[in-house]
Amino acid sequence: DVKVTQSSRYLVKRTGEKVFLECVQDMDHENMFWYRQDPGLGLRLIYFSYDVKMKEKGDIPEGYSVSREKKERFSLILESASTNQTSMYLCASSPTGAPGANVLTFGAGSRLTVL
Amino acid sequence: AQSVTQLGSHVSVSEGALVLLRCNYSSSVPPYLFWYVQYPNQGLQLLLKYTSAATLVKGINGFEAEFKKSETSFHLTKPSAHMSDAAEYFCAVRPMDTGRRALTFGSGTRLQVQP
Repeated sequence: DVKVTQSSRYLVKRTGEKVFLECVQDMDHENMFWYRQDPGLGLRLIYFSYDVKMKEKGDIPEGYSVSREKKERFSLILESASTNQTSMYLCASSPTGAPGANVLTFGAGSRLTVL
Repeated sequence: AQSVTQLGSHVSVSEGALVLLRCNYSSSVPPYLFWYVQYPNQGLQLLLKYTSAATLVKGINGFEAEFKKSETSFHLTKPSAHMSDAAEYFCAVRPMDTGRRALTFGSGTRLQVQP
């Protein structure tokens, strides 16, 4: 069974802390994504990567950075966490290929609370 | 820029009743369209997708959606609701005419099923 694994389901951090959210996929997918999910706002794209060491900003990149050193791993970094970054973070991956094949496979999510 | 509107943040139906969840897209050309479902404390999983092959798309768990270009809609239906359908449902789009690989999601509709 294909899988996207997010290392932490629940995290509690303090304002100003550096936070790492890790995501690993075992499907050899080229594309990986980080979304945040907030009630009433749906999912909003933070960053995505289409290859190792490649990254592109999504719709709400401010306050975040990412790292993709290996194909299977995509990390989301909050350099200095703030309370408005309290949210559910969802990682996803997809293959590159035939049109319409970009079905995203999601991890279970990481719920971050910043105090 | 493309966008997705889901009418109704909450929908409540009785068990056995018709389920209708609405999704309208805004795009200059018909996009790829997706419906995802999120059960409590889980990530998103794909219900169905439209890739221009057929306007009526059948998905898992008895759900289907019809692409209507004239109405820019992709509403999700199920003839008879089951208690296990209670979840949050997200409509998403991706353009066919660009290289953008990420999906743009709607704000979600929470489906309640009453016994």
